[in-house]
Amino acid sequence: DVKVTQSSRYLVKRTGEKVFLECVQDMDHENMFWYRQDPGLGLRLIYFSYDVKMKEKGDIPEGYSVSREKKERFSLILESASTNQTSMYLCASTIRGEQFFGPGTRLTVL
Amino acid sequence: AQTVTQSQPEMSVQEAETVTLSCTYDTSESDYYLFWYKQPPSRQMILVIRQEAYKQQNATENRFSVNFQKAAKSFSLKISDSQLGDAAMYFCAYLTGTASKLTFGTGTRLQVTL
Repeated sequence: DVKVTQSSRYLVKRTGEKVFLECVQDMDHENMFWYRQDPGLGLRLIYFSYDVKMKEKGDIPEGYSVSREKKERFSLILESASTNQTSMYLCASTIRGEQFFGPGTRLTVL
Repeated sequence: AQTVTQSQPEMSVQEAETVTLSCTYDTSESDYYLFWYKQPPSRQMILVIRQEAYKQQNATENRFSVNFQKAAKSFSLKISDSQLGDAAMYFCAYLTGTASKLTFGTGTRLQVTL
């Protein structure tokens, strides 16, 4: 079974802090994604990566950056967290069009 | 840009009954995939069913089936013999392109009652 794990299920940070969310997949997938999920808005793509050190902006990249130094790991970085980044963050990896999701990280920024 | 619309924010169904969740999408592409994902409360998102646009036959997975109307750009999910474990958020999603980027609808929360 494909496994996608995320470093934290729940996270509370203060405004202005630098926040790292990590995602690891164990199936050698090339494509990985970061979404945020908000009620009434569905899932919106923040960034994605189709290979090591390769990244592309999604629909809502402002305020975020990513890092992919190894194929299995894709990190989402909030350089200076703000209250409007309070959300559920989902990581996914994909093969043959099907995306496999991690359990999500619920981030609260105070 | 592609858009996916789920017009039913919430639906309710009695156990053992059938329910249909609606989804429409907008695209100018001819080759794409459509998916229904399920997100149970506090649990991981999982794939329910997928449909390739070039296939005319509607996909079926046990109690889950789709009604894919390509000309109308409609992709509804039918759940037969509903069970309590079907209670979840359901997301319709569209995929095209080599990067496997998904566009999601806003979701439908399905409640299953006794």
